[in-house]
Amino acid sequence: KNEVEQSPQNLTAQEGEFITINCSYSVGISALHWLQQHPGGGIVSLFMLSSGKKKHGRLIATINIQEKHSSLHITASHPRDSAVYICAVERTSGSRLTFGEGTQLTVNP
Amino acid sequence: NAGVTQTPKFRVLKTGQSMTLLCAQDMNHEYMYWYRQDPGMGLRLIHYSVGEGTTAKGEVPDGYNVSRLKKQNFLLGLESAAPSQTSVYFCASSSGPGLGYNEQFFGPGTRLTVL
Repeated sequence: KNEVEQSPQNLTAQEGEFITINCSYSVGISALHWLQQHPGGGIVSLFMLSSGKKKHGRLIATINIQEKHSSLHITASHPRDSAVYICAVERTSGSRLTFGEGTQLTVNP
Repeated sequence: NAGVTQTPKFRVLKTGQSMTLLCAQDMNHEYMYWYRQDPGMGLRLIHYSVGEGTTAKGEVPDGYNVSRLKKQNFLLGLESAAPSQTSVYFCASSSGPGLGYNEQFFGPGTRLTVL
């Protein structure tokens, strides 16, 4: 069993829909990262969080440390949100990240 | 600021050939990482460095070597390429652990095919 599990693997939505991507992990962490990989391949960091909730524009990330679970929400989705969203955990023992397999999101107009 | 750059962007090798991938960052980051990304799998750490002159093994280090002679550069070498090393390679850098300091900045990737 992978240490970081994401669901769903693939998600197709219509423009304007509210989207949720889930991440569960099984190790002790100091922080959880959400990243976005564009269709062209580039990877950018969206959020780092260790508790509670963070919001940036239409994106919201939450984490429940007790349940070892995080969610990434996208409100009022748009076709430009189409990308792979990757969850990664930073272990308490150091700087290394362990990555989930990613969720491929497609938003249709 | 260029951020994190990688050269080359694409490369095709024959089995047994060698090559070096270069990663450069201009953010004065202490930590640098090399990952590989394969279909159906998450990014996997090959090697990493926590400062100039240091290197350490990641999850999948076999068949690769690295060097960090200068703080801004992190080189990944394949001494004898194998088809199993066909992948997309990403370099990343960060300031180091601790919330707020370990955001990783990624290079654009190198697509390597080994025939």
